[in-house]
Amino acid sequence: SAVISQKPSRDICQRGTSLTIQCQVDSQVTMMFWYRQQPGQSLTLIATANQGSEATYESGFVIDKFPISRPNLTFSTLTVSNMSPEDSSIYLCSVTVSVDTGELFFGEGSRLTVL
Amino acid sequence: DAKTTQPPSMDCAEGRAANLPCNHSTISGNEYVYWYRQIHSQGPQYIIHGLKNNETNEMASLIITEDRKSSTLILPHATLRDTAVYYCIVRLKAAGNKLTFGGGTRVLVKP
Repeated sequence: SAVISQKPSRDICQRGTSLTIQCQVDSQVTMMFWYRQQPGQSLTLIATANQGSEATYESGFVIDKFPISRPNLTFSTLTVSNMSPEDSSIYLCSVTVSVDTGELFFGEGSRLTVL
Repeated sequence: DAKTTQPPSMDCAEGRAANLPCNHSTISGNEYVYWYRQIHSQGPQYIIHGLKNNETNEMASLIITEDRKSSTLILPHATLRDTAVYYCIVRLKAAGNKLTFGGGTRVLVKP
């Protein structure tokens, strides 16, 4: 299993500002992902955080808006840039630990409200 | 990844079995069926997965039809704490293959 800590757990932000969310895992993991969950909606994958290289973004998400870093096998950050009220969401970090099960573990999420 | 179809919501009585259906008619031979749930204000939690055979663990049972085009997640004795959104996801098993979430089924367990 994996224990995932996300910071901040919640924040209220002003329009036009940027916020960086941190994801710390208690063990080395192979894959890390960032998801967004808009109010009342399901989860949408933003990108795969690749260690030592640029993240792989899903359709509709771009690096300028959601820059991602992954400096090592236990840590990643997601920045939400130039925020607007439409960015108000829960952002979740997810990791893969075991090739055998393919199971993903999720953090508790970071709830952002943009005013 | 193959798409899945789930009912948007269902109610069940506390202490009774909850049977959650999922259709995945376009599933390919090497894709697994995964179930996750998301309790309010928490991150999704893995429940169970399977390929062909029925599977059981401490949380639930997974019944996959012989043609693999549908499956049922069974919570044998639903409790109020099982109230959550349940997601059926079809995906390749290998690490690196992401999860694509559909709408899920919102399950309300009533006393």
